[in-house]
Amino acid sequence: DSGVTQTPKHLITATGQRVTLRCSPRSGDLSVYWYQQSLDQGLQFLIQYYNGEERAKGNILERFSAQQFPDLHSELNLSSLELGDSALYFCASSEGTEGNEKLFFGSGTQLSVL
Amino acid sequence: GENVEQHPSTLSVQEGDSAVIKCTYSDSASNYFPWYKQELGKRPQLIIDIRSNVGEKKDQRIAVTLNKTAKHFSLHITETQPEDSAVYFCAASIRQAGTALIFGKGTTLSVSS
Repeated sequence: DSGVTQTPKHLITATGQRVTLRCSPRSGDLSVYWYQQSLDQGLQFLIQYYNGEERAKGNILERFSAQQFPDLHSELNLSSLELGDSALYFCASSEGTEGNEKLFFGSGTQLSVL
Repeated sequence: GENVEQHPSTLSVQEGDSAVIKCTYSDSASNYFPWYKQELGKRPQLIIDIRSNVGEKKDQRIAVTLNKTAKHFSLHITETQPEDSAVYFCAASIRQAGTALIFGKGTTLSVSS
């Protein structure tokens, strides 16, 4: 167990809908990262938050947004869902934000858009 | 944009053979290069990492080498075992208004006994 908690484990929804994925980092970790894993694209970096502030942005679509709350948990919001958004979404956490630290991954949320 | 290229995408070896996976990166300022292993249906987990001030690092049967001039790094697994079968991802720290780990697309390693 990495100490990173993601909910829900599975999510099935329809095109056009909006969903929220939740992540609680390891105790003491201030950084939260979101990654999207699809079969042919590996682990794609979406966005990073550090202590409540957006720190780095990757290939995140405008239909997606995220935030980190004062208790350090994070939520990833996906709206106007398309079939191509079906993927495994991982959250990871680390202590700081120097980019040279071990990432601890959650078990992921499997999103299926039908 | 900044990226990490990983080869090969699939690798099949016999038990006891060695396996080598190679990655190249584009950001000359990258200074941290971890490798993650993801078993089927599980989360990625760090197996070894190397920083830019070191050329090689070993941990039992696995080793990583780094060539900063050429901007490439490799994972070496010796005496492979069936439990080494998994997807392996390399990553590099990338400057993007901060720092984040950018991952390669992964190598599926199959070790047959």
